[in-house]
Amino acid sequence: DIQMTQSPSTLSASVGDRVTITCRASQTIRSWLAWYQQKPGNAPKLLIYKASTLQSGVPSRFSGSGSGTEFTLTISSLQPDDFATYYCQQCNSYPLTFGGGTRVEIK
Amino acid sequence: QVQLQESGPGLVKPSETLSLTCTVSGVSINSFYWSWVRQPPGKGLEWIGYVSNSGTTNYNPSLKSRVTMSVDTSKNHFSLRLTSVTAADTAVYYCARDVGGELFGYYYGMDVWGQGTTVTVSS
Repeated sequence: DIQMTQSPSTLSASVGDRVTITCRASQTIRSWLAWYQQKPGNAPKLLIYKASTLQSGVPSRFSGSGSGTEFTLTISSLQPDDFATYYCQQCNSYPLTFGGGTRVEIK
Repeated sequence: QVQLQESGPGLVKPSETLSLTCTVSGVSINSFYWSWVRQPPGKGLEWIGYVSNSGTTNYNPSLKSRVTMSVDTSKNHFSLRLTSVTAADTAVYYCARDVGGELFGYYYGMDVWGQGTTVTVSS
């Protein structure tokens, strides 16, 4: 199985901050990576697929980059609605696996 | 608008079988793969497996010996069975639509999710 490691596990930030979350794969997954946002009590929401393609309806302040084994999710200017937990998921091979999550909290 | 809705018992006794159904509305269950994902309380996400419209399945090896998924195209729903449950199977269970899959040659992630259903394993 491909192991996905996210860092940090928790991030404290203020509205307007630029935020970056890192996801590393235990072996190359080329660009087959998705990012999700999950708020308490809700299902995950697909934000980005294929490492850098924004899902329809997702604000442009979200962006993704990377390939191979290292990826980043960036929020250019954190908004109140963005405080949530973010997960990466490798889509390269089965079984599909997720990172452990990064909780973005209010500073 | 595509919607998914999980249904099934919220409480299952240890050693028994967990059975859930995901009803799909707004789109035909054909032409897509459909996954189950679970999330134990306070923890991360675990992919359980997928079922295609033709009944092809792929299960997480960690659960493979206990999992069965099936699809009923006439009812536009798909199902999950997990046998011999223990307290470790207590989780919120989500059904989701896959964007792509093995036969498509690409996989982009899960773009539509059900609201999730909490299943507790306890006597």
